[in-house]
Amino acid sequence: QKEVEQNSGPLSVPEGAIASLNCTYSDRGSQSFFWYRQYSGKSPELIMFIYSNGDKEDGRFTAQLNKASQYVSLLIRDSQPSDSATYLCAVVLSGGYQKVTFGIGTKLQVIP
Amino acid sequence: GAVVSQHPSRVICKSGTSVKIECRSLDFQATTMFWYRQFPKQSLMLMATSNEGSKATYEQGVEKDKFLINHASLTLSTLTVTSAHPEDSSFYICSARGVGILTEAFFGQGTRLTVV
Repeated sequence: QKEVEQNSGPLSVPEGAIASLNCTYSDRGSQSFFWYRQYSGKSPELIMFIYSNGDKEDGRFTAQLNKASQYVSLLIRDSQPSDSATYLCAVVLSGGYQKVTFGIGTKLQVIP
Repeated sequence: GAVVSQHPSRVICKSGTSVKIECRSLDFQATTMFWYRQFPKQSLMLMATSNEGSKATYEQGVEKDKFLINHASLTLSTLTVTSAHPEDSSFYICSARGVGILTEAFFGQGTRLTVV
């Protein structure tokens, strides 16, 4: 089982809709979770950081964490064409070095 | 958010030569730095984790004698690709985290390495 699993997509949503991106992880001891956005040929950009169960909102973005289900999601409201990118879920693994491990990323396409 | 600066952004080198990539945390102390490699249309693959003042921990399959990592200070880590080959051509990205479990990891801009 992969440490962090994401559907690679592409996920296509119309402009203005809500995009829902999902991620599951295997390390039950993980405590910190990130969502990054990566445009083609560019480095990942941090969007959200969450470590408590429940929802965390920042502008059009909402991260949701459920540690019991080992599930973290990202909702993007009012999706814009500029949101089209690959969204990477990252998890800080428990253990001495606290490695940050990434999922394969979900490619999001927002259709104008 | 915090700033992590990676240099150079692009480098072309001849096969057999060595290339050094620098990663600096500009406004925080990075106790841990990570080096990733990303091939086209693939996810980030962790190469190694380095903690300031200690030897890097390499992921399985990554040659530590080929990819030399130095984390001599809390703001600087370097990755040297030694005896580069065309198959080493990739996008190399560093990431830095501060102290504590509940801290973000920020990325440098990445280095596009092309070995000819």
